[in-house]
Amino acid sequence: RKEVEQDPGPFNVPEGATVAFNCTYSNSASQSFFWYRQDCRKEPKLLMSVYSSGNEDGRFTAQLNRASQYISLLIRDSKLSDSATYLCVVTRYGQNFVFGPGTRLSVLP
Amino acid sequence: NAGVTQTPKFRVLKTGQSMTLLCAQDMNHEYMYWYRQDPGMGLRLIHYSVGEGTTAKGEVPDGYNVSRLKKQNFLLGLESAAPSQTSVYFCASSYSGTSGIYNEQFFGPGTRLTVL
Repeated sequence: RKEVEQDPGPFNVPEGATVAFNCTYSNSASQSFFWYRQDCRKEPKLLMSVYSSGNEDGRFTAQLNRASQYISLLIRDSKLSDSATYLCVVTRYGQNFVFGPGTRLSVLP
Repeated sequence: NAGVTQTPKFRVLKTGQSMTLLCAQDMNHEYMYWYRQDPGMGLRLIHYSVGEGTTAKGEVPDGYNVSRLKKQNFLLGLESAAPSQTSVYFCASSYSGTSGIYNEQFFGPGTRLTVL
């Protein structure tokens, strides 16, 4: 089993839709969680960190459920510019980042 | 600031040839990383460095070597390229973590390598 798994996608949604991505991790010792965004043929960039209490940044909301070992990302009012691959990233003390395989989102006009 | 830069952007090699990929960062970051990205596999860590003069193996180190002679540079070498090393290679850097927790990683634009 991979250490970090994500919804396989792709997700094709119309503009204005709400879309949610899920990510599960296998190591219960994981401590820090992130969502990165990667545009086609570009490098990954940090979208947001994920905190235990959940956090929101504009149209984006991240949630963490430690008991079930999953992380979610909710995007409200999708824009064409949100089309990208979303990478779930997990790390723990003294260890390196572990990236999920990514979920591709296409927002359609 | 240029951030993280990578050289070259594209390269085609024949099996058995060698090459070096150069990564440079101007953010005074302590940590640097080399990843490869293959379809459906996500990013996999090849080697990393927690400071000048230090390197360590990641998840998929075989067939690669690295050096960190200067803080701002991290080199990835392929001594004898194989078709299985066809991939997109990303370099990244980050600040030294506090309490052992790593901060945001900043990525370079990637190098697309094809081995025939």
